[in-house]
Amino acid sequence: NAGVMQNPRHLVRRRGQEARLRCSPMKGHSHVYWYRQLPEEGLKFMVYLQKENIIDESGMPKERFSAEFPKEGPSILRIQQVVRGDSAAYFCASSPRTGGTEAFFGQGTRLTVV
Amino acid sequence: AQSVTQLDSQVPVFEEAPVELRCNYSSSVSVYLFWYVQYPNQGLQLLLKYLSGSTLVKGINGFEAEFNKSQTSFHLRKPSVHISDTAEYFCAVRTNYGGSQGNLIFGKGTKLSVKP
Repeated sequence: NAGVMQNPRHLVRRRGQEARLRCSPMKGHSHVYWYRQLPEEGLKFMVYLQKENIIDESGMPKERFSAEFPKEGPSILRIQQVVRGDSAAYFCASSPRTGGTEAFFGQGTRLTVV
Repeated sequence: AQSVTQLDSQVPVFEEAPVELRCNYSSSVSVYLFWYVQYPNQGLQLLLKYLSGSTLVKGINGFEAEFNKSQTSFHLRKPSVHISDTAEYFCAVRTNYGGSQGNLIFGKGTKLSVKP
């Protein structure tokens, strides 16, 4: 049973370009969460999605960031017109249901904006 | 709202010595508590979790943590560390009713450095 798969592992974008980060949850998991980790900071919650629904996007920046989790395929975190401040590690986690079980994390995508 | 404070950003320790990584949280409601470990350039791996019941929780790799409700703490301990325990450790909380199951609130992390 493969774990949470994120790709690419490393992504370099020039300022103004778009970044697309993909997350395939563990088999059987229908809940996906995105977190951002800035240097010397802990992980900050961004968005929680279920298939075809955004449940909680309270941690998402109001502009340039969007996320989706379609019926088929991976979850996508999209950052438009990237700026240097978007450079960070972005982690995806998945879980099978609500309740007391933990979320399982992917290895992250490290975005560098040059 | 919940918050998590990890009191030490870095903890150096010699191999085979005991270690305690401190975590305090703030919440107006009951919470679930977690400790995660992150090795360099890796994702987060769950070490242990407190949901309910016994306040002493045992996890993987010989780690344990004790939930202290009156002091709102959830310190992580290991009686004898190995070089391979060198990593960053994150304490996290989540409310235990409703809401987003995985919406964890993380501390800023403690870097454990084990020296030979």
